[in-house]
Amino acid sequence: AQSVTQLDSQVPVFEEAPVELRCNYSSSVSVYLFWYVQYPNQGLQLLLKYLSGSTLVESINGFEAEFNKSQTSFHLRKPSVHISDTAEYFCAVRSSGGSYIPTFGRGTSLIVHP
Amino acid sequence: DAGVIQSPRHEVTEMGQEVTLRCKPISGHNSLFWYRQTMMRGLELLIYFNNNVPIDDSGMPEDRFSAKMPNASFSTLKIQPSEPRDSAVYFCASSLAMQAVGELFFGEGSRLTVL
Repeated sequence: AQSVTQLDSQVPVFEEAPVELRCNYSSSVSVYLFWYVQYPNQGLQLLLKYLSGSTLVESINGFEAEFNKSQTSFHLRKPSVHISDTAEYFCAVRSSGGSYIPTFGRGTSLIVHP
Repeated sequence: DAGVIQSPRHEVTEMGQEVTLRCKPISGHNSLFWYRQTMMRGLELLIYFNNNVPIDDSGMPEDRFSAKMPNASFSTLKIQPSEPRDSAVYFCASSLAMQAVGELFFGEGSRLTVL
């Protein structure tokens, strides 16, 4: 069994400030890790993923996440946020073999203030 | 290429009425998922299909809920009779099951309000 914990339900931040959204997971097997973003009144869409190789992965809009196996974490960061980054962010984990159904965290609401 | 298409986008109904939500997955995807999202419970997996066959329906809350996938391009989630606690946003997602990535592609959701 696997689980995901997103430690913050809401993260308010000012525009152009850095942000970190925290995600910890537990699993007895090796995993793939994902961050999804949900903009208001829309479905979730993939932001970035870690499958293997470099532990630092990046998205096209400036977000990055680092896989830390020893701390079982996959925190999402951005050095300078924009108003348009206001959204709900979901961390998800799935095993690298067997069932490919991801387990989602409860989500973190990122609120960017001008 | 079109994404996952869900209908209706919004549904308001009265308690006791039947509700049918529809989903068209991305062409070529052979896995389909139904999720429910509420403030209290977050995102819950209700059921998923692989090659049109229901694989795991352990998340379906009770017998009032049923889901079908008669072919690779269509699925329904039915609630009969509906209750106010069923009010939520229902998402359909599809995926290429054989893909190592396992990325899910979500529709825009159906917001259900049961009065």
